Amino acid sequence: DAGITQSPRHKVTETGTPVTLRCHQTENHRYMYWYRQDPGHGLRLIHYSYGVKDTDKGEVSDGYSVSRSKTEDFLLTLESATSSQTSVYFCAISEGGLAGGNEQFFGPGTRLTVL
Amino acid sequence: AQTVTQSQPEMSVQEAETVTLSCTYDTSESDYYLFWYKQPPSRQMILVIRQEAYKQQNATENRFSVNFQKAAKSFSLKISDSQLGDAAMYFCAYRSGGNEKLTFGTGTRLTIIP
Repeated sequence: DAGITQSPRHKVTETGTPVTLRCHQTENHRYMYWYRQDPGHGLRLIHYSYGVKDTDKGEVSDGYSVSRSKTEDFLLTLESATSSQTSVYFCAISEGGLAGGNEQFFGPGTRLTVL
Repeated sequence: AQTVTQSQPEMSVQEAETVTLSCTYDTSESDYYLFWYKQPPSRQMILVIRQEAYKQQNATENRFSVNFQKAAKSFSLKISDSQLGDAAMYFCAYRSGGNEKLTFGTGTRLTIIP
């Protein structure tokens, strides 16, 4: 199994509070991603990173920010959590590069509930 | 933007039988990759099979095979000799050759009937 951990694995918080989710990898992969999974929507990309301090938006980035100060860590922050951000959040990694078709390896997920 | 459609929210199959999950996609690109991921109740996302668009031959991984129809933009997954452990959500995903981002379908929940 790819070395990806997410913390916390479960979190319950209140509307308006800041929340940070952490993704940590031991594979030294260049690319890291944050997805959210909701019923009826599959997985949707929030933000991704293609290197230290290099990030870009995905299709559902509003209300989220990310940071990557080290190759192994990718943080997802909800500045002021809302109930619509209740979801399961997945981190993924991939080698990237010219080879193409690179597999994305997924972390175990974090279930976030915003009350 | 690319879209991926899985029109079967739920499917069921008798153990040891064969089942096919459907996936269609919309793209104007010629260089892309397609994937099927499995998500069992443990919630872990597991890659089942991948297909490069430039390859005409359908990908196969043991009991899992795809029927890739490029002109029809169809990418179905066939599971042969279904086993209880195949019960899961299955997601079809698309990746452009020009970037690393995946676009997922909404998933198909597969139930295996003993």
